[in-house]
Amino acid sequence: GAVVSQHPSRVICKSGTSVKIECRSLDFQATTMFWYRQFPKQSLMLMATSNEGSKATYEQGVEKDKFLINHASLTLSTLTVTSAHPEDSSFYICSARDNTASKTQYFGPGTRLLVL
Amino acid sequence: RKEVEQDPGPFNVPEGATVAFNCTYSNSASQSFFWYRQDCRKEPKLLMSVYSSGNEDGRFTAQLNRASQYISLLIRDSKLSDSATYLCVVILGFGNEKLTFGTGTRLTIIP
Repeated sequence: GAVVSQHPSRVICKSGTSVKIECRSLDFQATTMFWYRQFPKQSLMLMATSNEGSKATYEQGVEKDKFLINHASLTLSTLTVTSAHPEDSSFYICSARDNTASKTQYFGPGTRLLVL
Repeated sequence: RKEVEQDPGPFNVPEGATVAFNCTYSNSASQSFFWYRQDCRKEPKLLMSVYSSGNEDGRFTAQLNRASQYISLLIRDSKLSDSATYLCVVILGFGNEKLTFGTGTRLTIIP
């Protein structure tokens, strides 16, 4: 089946630093990727839709200047959490939508971010 | 009202029993429906799509009731490995392919 990877899987950083998370579709092309955040015991919340070669579309309440998204190729999208604070600690999950007719979304394994 | 609502549980069910979950959605125009399972500290994985006519995959049966705006998941002969959180997912469609997740229903199968 299709595989999506995320890197890093876990990161601990100091407050005020920036953290970059990569999402890669390993065996298919994805014009569209999605970034989600999940706090403990809550559902996944879509943060933004990342489109290759164009600006990301952010959901209401998500600061685009704080969560920078770059989708430079058909297999890679990055999310940078700038000036991270403890409240940004969460489980960040990406998904990549297959460009074929099925348009199935495949999830990455997630990145657990802890900001001290 | 939340877009997608689920009973969070937990459901503690003995091995071999049958268990069913429901999920309601608020937008009557929603087009696509899915059940995902999420294991602790892992990403969601697609369990099955939900079709208007209902569909079955082994021990799992999913049904859609558009009139009442709910979908259901039935698990028969439950196994210990079925312990997970089950997420109801809805896609509006019509060009909006965003997945909207419910909060999930936690299931624990007891030996």
